[in-house]
Amino acid sequence: QKEVEQDPGPLSVPEGAIVSLNCTYSNSAFQYFMWYRQYSRKGPELLMYTYSSGNKEDGRFTAQVDKSSKYISLFIRDSQPSDSATYLCAMIDNQGGKLIFGQGTELSVKP
Amino acid sequence: GAVVSQHPSRVICKSGTSVKIECRSLDFQATTMFWYRQFPKQSLMLMATSNEGSKATYEQGVEKDKFLINHASLTLSTLTVTSAHPEDSSFYICSASDRVGQPQHFGDGTRLSIL
Repeated sequence: QKEVEQDPGPLSVPEGAIVSLNCTYSNSAFQYFMWYRQYSRKGPELLMYTYSSGNKEDGRFTAQVDKSSKYISLFIRDSQPSDSATYLCAMIDNQGGKLIFGQGTELSVKP
Repeated sequence: GAVVSQHPSRVICKSGTSVKIECRSLDFQATTMFWYRQFPKQSLMLMATSNEGSKATYEQGVEKDKFLINHASLTLSTLTVTSAHPEDSSFYICSASDRVGQPQHFGDGTRLSIL
């Protein structure tokens, strides 16, 4: 079993839709949770960074962490064609070790 | 803030050539830098972790004599692919972090093609 599971998609939605992206993990030592967006042929760009359980909002993006269920989510409201990219969840353990990535979900937002 | 610059973005060279890739943190001091390799439609695979002034720590299966890493300052790390062969063709990405537990910030990657 992988430490971090993420549905690779691809996920296709119409413009304006609410997108829900999710990851589950098995290591209870993970303390820091991130979402990255990666456009084709580019490096990942940090979208959200959370430390504890709960919600964090930034514009159209909301990150949610549920440590009891070992489940994290990223919601995108009013999705735009420019949101079309691969979204990677990532986490670090409480020792500040390596970044563990999910497989990435490929999202396509159709005009 | 937190900008990481990677250069060059694209390299095409003949088999047997050594290729150097630079990674710079532009607006922060990077105590730790990381080098990843990414194959098409796959997630990032960590190759090695480097701390300023010390030897890099390589992941299992990564040949340290093939992929030389130098982290000479708090803002610069280099990856040299020595005697590159077609199987080394890939997308190489660096990242940097200023503190343990803090998110990594990534460069835009280098697409390496060995003919």
